[in-house]
Amino acid sequence: RKEVEQDPGPFNVPEGATVAFNCTYSNSASQSFFWYRQDCRKEPKLLMSVYSSGNEDGRFTAQLNRASQYISLLIRDSKLSDSATYLCVVGGSGNTGKLIFGQGTTLQVKP
Amino acid sequence: EPEVTQTPSHQVTQMGQEVILRCVPISNHLYFYWYRQILGQKVEFLVSFYNNEISEKSEIFDDQFSVERPDGSNFTLKIRSTKLEDSAMYFCASRTVTSTDTQYFGPGTRLTVL
Repeated sequence: RKEVEQDPGPFNVPEGATVAFNCTYSNSASQSFFWYRQDCRKEPKLLMSVYSSGNEDGRFTAQLNRASQYISLLIRDSKLSDSATYLCVVGGSGNTGKLIFGQGTTLQVKP
Repeated sequence: EPEVTQTPSHQVTQMGQEVILRCVPISNHLYFYWYRQILGQKVEFLVSFYNNEISEKSEIFDDQFSVERPDGSNFTLKIRSTKLEDSAMYFCASRTVTSTDTQYFGPGTRLTVL
C-alpha cells in the first residue's frame, strides 16, 4: 500500500464549481497533515494544515478522519487561478518532521 | 517575507561528475531538508538535518549523497558521482522547532545529468 494515496485526476471543472479531493494514508501513527499546492515546475506551497476538527480557509475546507486514515479537501467557487496540482502531505511518525507526499491531484478550472 | 533560496536554478552535468546544490534556509529555522522530484513523479524525502547532523535519511540517500552546513547560512547537498537517474528537481526546505510546523520550500534546482 502506498504511504499516501491520491487520485491523480485530472479533474476538469468549470469556473464556480465545487470540487473535492480525497487522500488516504497508511501510517496510523502520523501526527501532522497538510495540503500543499504545486504549480507546474514550481516548489510545493502550503495551502493549509489539516486538523481533526476540520478547518476552513476561505473557499477551502479540509477534513481529517483518523479512524479511516482519510483526508479531504473541498474547494468551493473554483477560480481559474485554482488550476494546479494539489498534494496531500503527511508528516512522518518520528520527530524529524519529514514529509511524505502523495502523487498529487491535478485540477484544471476552465472558463 | 523571508524565503528559502536555492542556487543554481538549473545545473547540467555529465554522468560521473560531482555536483553541489546550495540552499540558504530561512534565518531562524533550525531544521533543514532536501527533497527531490523526478519529472512526473511525486516529491520524495531525501534527508533531514538538525544540530549539525543528519537526523533521518531515506533509502535514496546512499553513500553518493552528503549534506553539510558549512557556515551559519548555507546548507548544501553534494552528489559525488552523478548518475542519469539523479536527474530531478531538488528542493530544499526548512522549518522552526516543532515537527508539525510548516516547512517552507525553496524554488528548487533542476539537475540534468547527461
